[in-house]
Amino acid sequence: DSGVTQTPKHLITATGQRVTLRCSPRSGDLSVYWYQQSLDQGLQFLIQYYNGEERAKGNILERFSAQQFPDLHSELNLSSLELGDSALYFCASSRGDGANQPQHFGDGTRLSIL
Amino acid sequence: AQTVTQSQPEMSVQEAETVTLSCTYDTSESDYYLFWYKQPPSRQMILVIRQEAYKQQNATENRFSVNFQKAAKSFSLKISDSQLGDAAMYFCAYNYGGATNKLIFGTGTLLAVQP
Repeated sequence: DSGVTQTPKHLITATGQRVTLRCSPRSGDLSVYWYQQSLDQGLQFLIQYYNGEERAKGNILERFSAQQFPDLHSELNLSSLELGDSALYFCASSRGDGANQPQHFGDGTRLSIL
Repeated sequence: AQTVTQSQPEMSVQEAETVTLSCTYDTSESDYYLFWYKQPPSRQMILVIRQEAYKQQNATENRFSVNFQKAAKSFSLKISDSQLGDAAMYFCAYNYGGATNKLIFGTGTLLAVQP
């Protein structure tokens, strides 16, 4: 158990819909990261937050947005969903925001678009 | 741009034997970190081992060790005394050590362990 909690574990929805994925970091971790794992794109970094502030953006679509709340949990919002958004979405957390901080991953949310 | 390449899509090893998974990366940075993550069928991402580029000594964690060749930009993972529970997808990852902590992953190597 990494200590990172992601909910829900599995989400099934239709094209055009909007969903919210939730992540609670390990106790004491200030950084939260979101990654997307899909068959065609592999594992890709989406976005990083540190103590409530956006720190870095990766290949995140404009239809996607995220935030980190004062209690340090984070949400990833996906809107106008397309079939290609079907993927496993991971949240990870680390103590600080530097590269020397190992990232600990949650179990992921499997998003299926029908 | 930094890239990570894993040239072995699949590997197989007999139980109790040793296997080496390959990883190469491309970067112009001198300070960075390298990682191996394991993803079993349960789909969790588990940190196996990490290496700081400024350290010449290869990292070791129990049966897992790395062969880090900085000049060659190579970072292989050796698994000794392979166990059935080692069967998983293994991802090599790179973090260049800048202001962000973004991991760049390779495409993975699927390891099968034969009893």
